[in-house]
Amino acid sequence: GAVVSQHPSRVICKSGTSVKIECRSLDFQATTMFWYRQFPKQSLMLMATSNEGSKATYEQGVEKDKFLINHASLTLSTLTVTSAHPEDSSFYICSARFPLGSVVGRGSYEQYFGPGTRLTVT
Amino acid sequence: AQSVTQLGSHVSVSEGALVLLRCNYSSSVPPYLFWYVQYPNQGLQLLLKYTTGATLVKGINGFEAEFKKSETSFHLTKPSAHMSDAAEYFCAVSDRGSQGGGADGLTFGKGTHLIIQP
Repeated sequence: GAVVSQHPSRVICKSGTSVKIECRSLDFQATTMFWYRQFPKQSLMLMATSNEGSKATYEQGVEKDKFLINHASLTLSTLTVTSAHPEDSSFYICSARFPLGSVVGRGSYEQYFGPGTRLTVT
Repeated sequence: AQSVTQLGSHVSVSEGALVLLRCNYSSSVPPYLFWYVQYPNQGLQLLLKYTTGATLVKGINGFEAEFKKSETSFHLTKPSAHMSDAAEYFCAVSDRGSQGGGADGLTFGKGTHLIIQP
């Protein structure tokens, strides 16, 4: 249980276009999802916290108009990279968390990560 | 703001030897603590976590870690390394949440690349 999927796994797009990445919790409902980006051989950096039914909370330095996040249902959050540029090329990883107070033994602390999406902007 | 320090970007051990990956955090209040493993071009897999209770926590694949509040450390160990342990390891922390329990987004260390020598 607690599987998170991402689609697509890889995407190549041209500079100036927009790309949408989906993050789905397959076997549980996730009121909160997180989006991270990882540059080659570097650590993950939290971009934003996605809350179902409300606006995402962005980390300092992350442009919310460039990285649009929509968490329209309890199992799906999307990240849209608008007007992509080569410097947006990165590995984008999402994670999902069980709702607070849910499922004894699972805990609300643990995040379950998707397999990531490799974005290349040419 | 939280910060996580992983000493050694690369650690090399022989197969069968002890694995020790170091992690220190900076926080006045003990956070939730995690170790994740990442294989090439894949997402992260949770090895183990500390939230409360016993300070020595056991995880998957024979790994364990000990939370030492006085040292603000959460080092990862495995008694005997296996070739399949070669991967990138990340220590991560999160605050104890603003809603009474659930953790916030994670702050990651820079990662340690574990190399296993045959």
